[in-house]
Amino acid sequence: EDQVTQSPEALRLQEGESSSLNCSYTVSGLRGLFWYRQDPGKGPEFLFTLYSAGEEKEKERLKATLTKKESFLHITAPKPEDSATYLCAVRTNAGKSTFGDGTTLTVKP
Amino acid sequence: DAGITQSPRYKITETGRQVTLMCHQTWSHSYMFWYRQDLGHGLRLIYYSAAADITDKGEVPDGYVVSRSKTENFPLTLESATRSQTSVYFCASSDPGGPEAFFGQGTRLTVV
Repeated sequence: EDQVTQSPEALRLQEGESSSLNCSYTVSGLRGLFWYRQDPGKGPEFLFTLYSAGEEKEKERLKATLTKKESFLHITAPKPEDSATYLCAVRTNAGKSTFGDGTTLTVKP
Repeated sequence: DAGITQSPRYKITETGRQVTLMCHQTWSHSYMFWYRQDLGHGLRLIYYSAAADITDKGEVPDGYVVSRSKTENFPLTLESATRSQTSVYFCASSDPGGPEAFFGQGTRLTVV
């Protein structure tokens, strides 16, 4: 059974304090790993797709990386507007995506 | 405007009633998905569709029915609502092989 585990469940940072969110996975046949941002009361917003170990993607203060067992979302010098829940999902050979429970990030000014 | 529109945004219904949640996309994506999200949890796939008239079960399909007669519409029906179906429901769409790139705003359903 495909499993996706995100840690920590919640993360509180001071503005400018860099950190990383983790997404570990156990799947048979990874076809892609996706990161999303979700603000309260809204649908997830797509951020990145990673397909193979060693791949990296960047967008503003966010950088996503991928290994054979996990992915990290690095947040550099975060701002309060980066506060949100970050979800990761894996797509397998079955063509379906399995989502983790998310990490809720709070950035204090 | 391009995107995904879900309706209604909020719905309260009674146990045993039939409820239909609507989803309309303007991207012409072939794939569409229905997810439910319970408080403090990620998304769980209910049903998905690869094209018009092609649907398949996800992780939690029991108690739900879908149809897709047109590419742009993917309604989700709760045949006889139960309290355990109280949740936020999200519709999404994508191109083949791509991520669920576009999500609707969600429908918050409460079954009393």
